[in-house]
Amino acid sequence: EVQLVQSGAEVKKPGESLKISCKGSGYSFTSYWIGWVRQMPGKGLEWMGIIYPGDSDTRYSPSFQGQVTISADKSISTAYLQWSSLKASDTAMYYCARQGCTNGVCYILDYWGQGTLVTVSS
Amino acid sequence: QSALTQPASVSGSPGQSITISCTGTSSDVGGYNYVSWYQQHPGKAPKLMIYDVSNRPSGVSNRFSGSKSGNTASLTISGLQAEDEADYYCSSYTSSSTLAVFGGGTKLTVL
Repeated sequence: EVQLVQSGAEVKKPGESLKISCKGSGYSFTSYWIGWVRQMPGKGLEWMGIIYPGDSDTRYSPSFQGQVTISADKSISTAYLQWSSLKASDTAMYYCARQGCTNGVCYILDYWGQGTLVTVSS
Repeated sequence: QSALTQPASVSGSPGQSITISCTGTSSDVGGYNYVSWYQQHPGKAPKLMIYDVSNRPSGVSNRFSGSKSGNTASLTISGLQAEDEADYYCSSYTSSSTLAVFGGGTKLTVL
């Protein structure tokens, strides 16, 4: 069974750093892209970026380039999303999701983590 | 502003059918048969309901169907049930980016 299990909720202060995780199991972790999606309170889904754990190829949405860092440790089948200096506007639910492919085109988010709620408040 | 346009809300009574539209451009929805739909219940992670415009993953009810005409994709839910009340998001492959694009989401209310 394919599973993505994310780390627990975080409460941080502005300016602090944070790294959240997403551990995959039940499939070949190095053979699928893993994406990160932000959902701000009461809002829709936003692509942040994706990583291919096999070679760490990483792509970012222009809105998030330079704001976050996506990485992966294939030895433990885990992807990460990190911030060096959090802002109150980073308060949101963050989901990781496996990106499946069809006819060689990879765009389907077929399995999702349970989400990690990040709250940034002074 | 989202790349794909969805109505903010739709509603229907149990047993009825509803359709949610998702309008893009020739660079995304209109140019490729790579549209997916996701269902999200409050407090839960999104769930894949439709991919490649009209394909259902294993386990998804056949009451859910997808179609496309020109730059607009549609999700139809027939035989509406109370459990269908949720937010629905469309997504499409796009030639403009390495990442897919999402719609703004549609809140479905079952009356």
